[in-house]
Amino acid sequence: DIVMTQTPLSSPVTLGQPASISCRSSQSLVHSDGNTYLTWLQQRPGQPPRLLIYYTSKRFSGVPERFSGSGAGTDFTLKISRVEAEDVGVYYCMQATQFPLTFGGGTRVEIK
Amino acid sequence: VQLVESGEGLVQPGGSLRLSCAASGFTFSSYWMNWVRQAPGKGLEWVANIKPDGGKEYYVDSVKGRFTITRDNAKNSLYLQMNSLRAEDTAVYYCVRENSLIYWGQGILVTVSS
Repeated sequence: DIVMTQTPLSSPVTLGQPASISCRSSQSLVHSDGNTYLTWLQQRPGQPPRLLIYYTSKRFSGVPERFSGSGAGTDFTLKISRVEAEDVGVYYCMQATQFPLTFGGGTRVEIK
Repeated sequence: VQLVESGEGLVQPGGSLRLSCAASGFTFSSYWMNWVRQAPGKGLEWVANIKPDGGKEYYVDSVKGRFTITRDNAKNSLYLQMNSLRAEDTAVYYCVRENSLIYWGQGILVTVSS
């Protein structure tokens, strides 16, 4: 199974400042079809997860432009350019290149 | 797109439960479908998925032989039959469209306890 490792576990951020979350996979996420199936999810308190980014860098419909995804191979990053109060929650990376699908342990974003 | 889970319940260890997911707003028969769960206060765990035509399923090791994912494309519905339930299966179960986990249901709580 592919192991997904996220850092940091927690990220206290000042409103309006940037935040960055790292995700590393134990194997390359490049699929035989050439795509890299790396997804970023946001889970606000008390809510189901919500898709932010898929295929490493494609922002899902309705997701604010302050969210961006990048990376390749085994190293990936989610960046929030200017954190807003509504961004508080837990962020997960997930790989869908190989079954079983596997998730990172989550990164909690909170306001300082 | 709407995904609505049902079948919530409290069941004793060793018991069985069947979850359903009613899909609407898209061509159900065109998409892989998944079940993902989240134990109380914990992270996300993928449980199982099924091909668009229902011809192949995949499971996480911890549920193999106990859980069965099926679908009825005529009824736009996804199911998860859970047998031999254990305390560690206690979680909110989510119905999710596509392997990139694009659309999520609201989730349904399954509690396994005596």
